[in-house]
Amino acid sequence: DTAVSQTPKYLVTQMGNDKSIKCEQNLGHDTMYWYKQDSKKFLKIMFSYNNKELIINETVPNRFSPKSPDKAHLNLHINSLELGDSAVYFCASSHLGGDEKLFFGSGTQLSVL
Amino acid sequence: EDKVVQSPLSLVVHEGDTVTLNCSYEVTNFRSLLWYKQEKKAPTFLFMLTSSGIEKKSGRLSSILDKKELFSILNITATQTGDSAVYLCAVDLFQGAQKLVFGQGTRLTINP
Repeated sequence: DTAVSQTPKYLVTQMGNDKSIKCEQNLGHDTMYWYKQDSKKFLKIMFSYNNKELIINETVPNRFSPKSPDKAHLNLHINSLELGDSAVYFCASSHLGGDEKLFFGSGTQLSVL
Repeated sequence: EDKVVQSPLSLVVHEGDTVTLNCSYEVTNFRSLLWYKQEKKAPTFLFMLTSSGIEKKSGRLSSILDKKELFSILNITATQTGDSAVYLCAVDLFQGAQKLVFGQGTRLTINP
């Protein structure tokens, strides 16, 4: 019964390709997030969606486009992948107005060659 | 610029020791401070602190927040090898949704 699940767990691809990462949560939360963890282990927020609406959009290249078809899903599409995109991408969810703890998925390790 | 700084960056102790991890912050809009444990993959939630001086406790782990001095500590007593992990501190700035700014983490290694 995984609470926040991401697929794939590992993604190895060539520069210039387009790829997607999918995220689903079964916690009944209304808010979902994408975080990026770089090689130095810093976790940084990229996007946040509340009930399918974009709430937080940090300074992220336009090549990154999140899509939320419903409040249980938040996908991340990346165009024209670059070497610097290599990182671990974490999806997370929380309930605004509730206990507001973020629950994280297990991450997608993206390697761009 | 919003900043969260953890110290030490790395700590190696023996099983049974007590450790204290530090987290200081300088942010524009504080809502809460959270501690997470990251072993191999997903950070897992430990504590959320919103008020100064109130200790939160869970088994051998405890944490406290000082909003005047802008820091928090995470204590682990009677450490076990299973406590080995990276401990992450984050401050929620809240901008319409939770916006966590993370520190760089403390890598804790417990030797048997």
